[in-house]
Amino acid sequence: DAKTTQPPSMDCAEGRAANLPCNHSTISGNEYVYWYRQIHSQGPQYIIHGLKNNETNEMASLIITEDRKSSTLILPHATLRDTAVYYCIVRVFSTGNQFYFGTGTSLTVIP
Amino acid sequence: DTGVSQDPRHKITKRGQNVTFRCDPISEHNRLYWYRQTLGQGPEFLTYFQNEAQLEKSRLLSDRFSAERPKGSFSTLEIQRTEQGDSAMYLCASSLVRSAGVNEKLFFGSGTQLSVL
Repeated sequence: DAKTTQPPSMDCAEGRAANLPCNHSTISGNEYVYWYRQIHSQGPQYIIHGLKNNETNEMASLIITEDRKSSTLILPHATLRDTAVYYCIVRVFSTGNQFYFGTGTSLTVIP
Repeated sequence: DTGVSQDPRHKITKRGQNVTFRCDPISEHNRLYWYRQTLGQGPEFLTYFQNEAQLEKSRLLSDRFSAERPKGSFSTLEIQRTEQGDSAMYLCASSLVRSAGVNEKLFFGSGTQLSVL
């Protein structure tokens, strides 16, 4: 039921920007894109979400393409503590109220 | 805000036994979700409550699974006659939703790790 496609793994050098892509080609006009991350042995943690405009908060930036078929999560200065699995989620209201997580991208920040 | 609390953190049981997990959401959060996660997979939705009403259940939720949220605060998830395939992390999340929920943010607990021997 996952509506998104993400690369299974990525590496990023510490201090550099981490750019995590997500494809959601079947997204509908009123469906939001959410990003969560999960550090080993913990529950997922909310990062950011958006509809069509780019969003920024203290954790990350979310860039959504104009056609809304893909997005990129940007961690501007990755640290070792950003090593986690990152989930891109499309919130599909028409089929219920749940968040579908998919398998995510495992990001490893390298010293 | 003390976060979402789940108890126990770990549970080991024998096949065929019943188990019950508890989730205490963030105070005043009106929605509560249960998810299940197996190794290498993302969390899978099981069910959710709006206050005390159970509004949605996944088809993954067999008849052996039951969840309650009797007073709209804490919730319990019971698994009857456990099977080895039930071994997983069971995650609880809560949220505060005031209108259509389009800006809903889930706050997750650390989960209960179930091992069925």
